[in-house]
Amino acid sequence: GENVEQHPSTLSVQEGDSAVIKCTYSDSASNYFPWYKQELGKRPQLIIDIRSNVGEKKDQRIAVTLNKTAKHFSLHITETQPEDSAVYFCAASYGGATNKLIFGTGTLLAVQP
Amino acid sequence: EAQVTQNPRYLITVTGKKLTVTCSQNMNHEYMSWYRQDPGLGLRQIYYSMNVEVTDKGDVPEGYKVSRKEKRNFPLILESPSPNQTSLYFCASWGFGTEAFFGQGTRLTVV
Repeated sequence: GENVEQHPSTLSVQEGDSAVIKCTYSDSASNYFPWYKQELGKRPQLIIDIRSNVGEKKDQRIAVTLNKTAKHFSLHITETQPEDSAVYFCAASYGGATNKLIFGTGTLLAVQP
Repeated sequence: EAQVTQNPRYLITVTGKKLTVTCSQNMNHEYMSWYRQDPGLGLRQIYYSMNVEVTDKGDVPEGYKVSRKEKRNFPLILESPSPNQTSLYFCASWGFGTEAFFGQGTRLTVV
């Protein structure tokens, strides 16, 4: 069935270091891969997304890469700052008529000042 | 302003007392979904709707009901709440292949 695995579940980095979060998906028909950031007590909000016809996308300090063959996609945050501390969720959209959005289990990122 | 509105934000209820959590979106999105968020388990899909009168079970549908009589509204109904349904609930909506927008969340406690 539809499944998205996300690793690691927790990640602690020093301010200024890079952070990488990885996800794998099960359905090769998936075509849309968003990443959401959830700050404490708030709703998840989109930070970056990538579609299956693109291998990499960058927006300032964040980037996402997609390997369709391996069914992997990753979030990269460079020059981390304390305000990057949050829970990050990856998701995969299973296209076609259903267009379901399935989320990973989340990564708690802590950036130590 | 594009938004998804959930109500109530906080709810404490007793076992067995029926309740409804409302969700409304103003973006004319076809797709709407309910998720529950529990520590270490991420966002688990409860129910999902592809359009008016079209709904489907997610990963954890037991104990919940939904309806989609209008495109903008997607209420979540707990006919007989139990303590294991204590959780943080999010409603979300999206268009085809577009960003999902989340409601503010509803923190439900069943005692």
